[in-house]
Amino acid sequence: SQKIEQNSEALNIQEGKTATLTCNYTNYSPAYLQWYRQDPGRGPVFLLLIRENEKEKRKERLKVTFDTTLKQSLFHITASQPADSATYLCALKLNTGTASKLTFGTGTRLQVTL
Amino acid sequence: SAVISQKPSRDICQRGTSLTIQCQVDSQVTMMFWYRQQPGQSLTLIATANQGSEATYESGFVIDKFPISRPNLTFSTLTVSNMSPEDSSIYLCSVASGSGANVLTFGAGSRLTVL
Repeated sequence: SQKIEQNSEALNIQEGKTATLTCNYTNYSPAYLQWYRQDPGRGPVFLLLIRENEKEKRKERLKVTFDTTLKQSLFHITASQPADSATYLCALKLNTGTASKLTFGTGTRLQVTL
Repeated sequence: SAVISQKPSRDICQRGTSLTIQCQVDSQVTMMFWYRQQPGQSLTLIATANQGSEATYESGFVIDKFPISRPNLTFSTLTVSNMSPEDSSIYLCSVASGSGANVLTFGAGSRLTVL
């Protein structure tokens, strides 16, 4: 069966360190992968999109890698700040079907402490 | 990106009743979706709301339980019918945007608790 796995345990890191979150998937051939941020009581907010033919994408302090051989994406936040504390979701778009139809992982909660 | 207003933001409902959630977008959009986020679960797509035609439902979701309206390109409603405690969840409206309509913008969600 198809699965998207994110670490369900919260990730606790100290301010200034790099946070690395993992998204693994099985039995998918995604056209692209996205990362979203979700704060309590709010809907997810889009952060980054990386396509199947891209290895890495950066945006300010954020970096995403995509390894279609390992079926894994890593999401990095460098110089993390307490304001980065949130739940981060990965989402896959398959090569078939509606352009916007995404399948989401359960998310990993990140807690950045002083 | 589009700004989405959802209401109610939260509600407590009695078993057996129905509740309609409204989603208003500040611009015309082609693709509008309804998702469910149950506690500790991932977002699950319920259906695609199509303007002028019946919604397209995902496996496991049916029109009788989750009727959807899409009267124009800026508005949609989702009704959760004959609710049971298992329907307690956050329901989220989203629209597609960006180049190739690849990115989703979400409303803040409607948290329903069914007693």
